[in-house]
Amino acid sequence: ETGVTQTPRHLVMGMTNKKSLKCEQHLGHNAMYWYKQSAKKPLELMFVYNFKEQTENNSVPSRFSPECPNSSHLFLHLHTLQPEDSALYLCASSQDNGLNTDTQYFGPGTRLTVL
Amino acid sequence: KQEVTQIPAALSVPEGENLVLNCSFTDSAIYNLQWFRQDPGKGLTSLLLIQSSQREQTSGRLNASLDKSSGRSTLYIAASQPGDSATYLCAVRGNTDKLIFGTGTRLQVFP
Repeated sequence: ETGVTQTPRHLVMGMTNKKSLKCEQHLGHNAMYWYKQSAKKPLELMFVYNFKEQTENNSVPSRFSPECPNSSHLFLHLHTLQPEDSALYLCASSQDNGLNTDTQYFGPGTRLTVL
Repeated sequence: KQEVTQIPAALSVPEGENLVLNCSFTDSAIYNLQWFRQDPGKGLTSLLLIQSSQREQTSGRLNASLDKSSGRSTLYIAASQPGDSATYLCAVRGNTDKLIFGTGTRLQVFP
């Protein structure tokens, strides 16, 4: 148990659907992250939130929309996705101490399939 | 632009062997390097984190070394067990919140 939970664990959606991924951390951390893991490619950072403020948007298409209502919850809203968006979406959290020395703790991921 | 490479991409060894996984990075200006383990269909578990000022870190049968000037890290696993079978990921952190990951080494330890 890493203290970071993600729901749902699996999601199949059509290209016209709207869905949301949820992440919750129980570690008291102040930074949260969304990553995308596609087959045979390195993990790609998508978004970073620090104290609920978005500090990084790694050139992610607007069909992915993050939301961070508080420091414990992070959402990824999905709409009009493409089949190439099928991947494992991982959430992580860390205690940002301003020194770039913190460890990130990952959730189990949501396996997304876009038909 | 930082790039992280891991070799080999896959490794299959009999139980009990000592083994070394390699990670290289192109920009030596890093704050730290982290090794993760990922089981199939699961998230990542942090194994070891080495700060840029450190040379190595140890945890149980795992030892990670860092040679920042040459852009290399190794993960040494002693007396491998079937339960060590997983994908091992290396990631480096520069002066931002970004972790840059390699593509991983898929390890299988057979009895």
